Amino acid sequence: GESVGLHLPTLSVQEGDNSIINCAYSNSASDYFIWYKQESGKGPQFIIDIRSNMDKRQGQRVTVLLNKTVKHLSLQIAATQPGDSAVYFCAENAGGTSYGKLTFGQGTILTVHP
Amino acid sequence: NAGVTQTPKFQVLKTGQSMTLQCAQDMNHNSMYWYRQDPGMGLRLIYYSASEGTTDKGEVPNGYNVSRLNKREFSLRLESAAPSQTSVYFCASSVDWVGDQPQHFGDGTRLSIL
Repeated sequence: GESVGLHLPTLSVQEGDNSIINCAYSNSASDYFIWYKQESGKGPQFIIDIRSNMDKRQGQRVTVLLNKTVKHLSLQIAATQPGDSAVYFCAENAGGTSYGKLTFGQGTILTVHP
Repeated sequence: NAGVTQTPKFQVLKTGQSMTLQCAQDMNHNSMYWYRQDPGMGLRLIYYSASEGTTDKGEVPNGYNVSRLNKREFSLRLESAAPSQTSVYFCASSVDWVGDQPQHFGDGTRLSIL
């Protein structure tokens, strides 16, 4: 899985499968997390966010899970489609005096095969 | 709805030349940001503007200046371009300078310094 600030792992899945993309964060003070999708030649696109007072949040075909005990975040994509192929980033906000600053991971490359 | 618009999309400069990257948002957001994205290093914050009339340094401000022209527009200037500034530059905006707001990105300016 991804660690904020390190590596660029890859995940290959078949169309219709469920995908799980992982992100480990290091700052225990972080209280807000976002997942972004970045397609080739485009800017990061907001997918879903979650605050630290929640363990799970669901959107359309996506679910984000937050485990504060082990500082782990995951993005689940149901029924993955070829259009989901992209780089996925997690980002965290440490709160406090960091205010609006986000720290971004390097991303995970998701490839969906038809 | 255009969101965040960046111009130009591509640019090639010679070392020592100057250039201004333009960014405009039409979402009535108070906060705006400039990032650079380099392979294997994720998004790094160059400068940000928490609100109209204010600007502050981010993680990698050296060699750059910014201007928050009005609420909509936030420009990034390279006074004397260096090859190390070859990168993809992203502008982003958020509703406010608080820790639980997603940032929305433009599609980037791809800049090469020869």
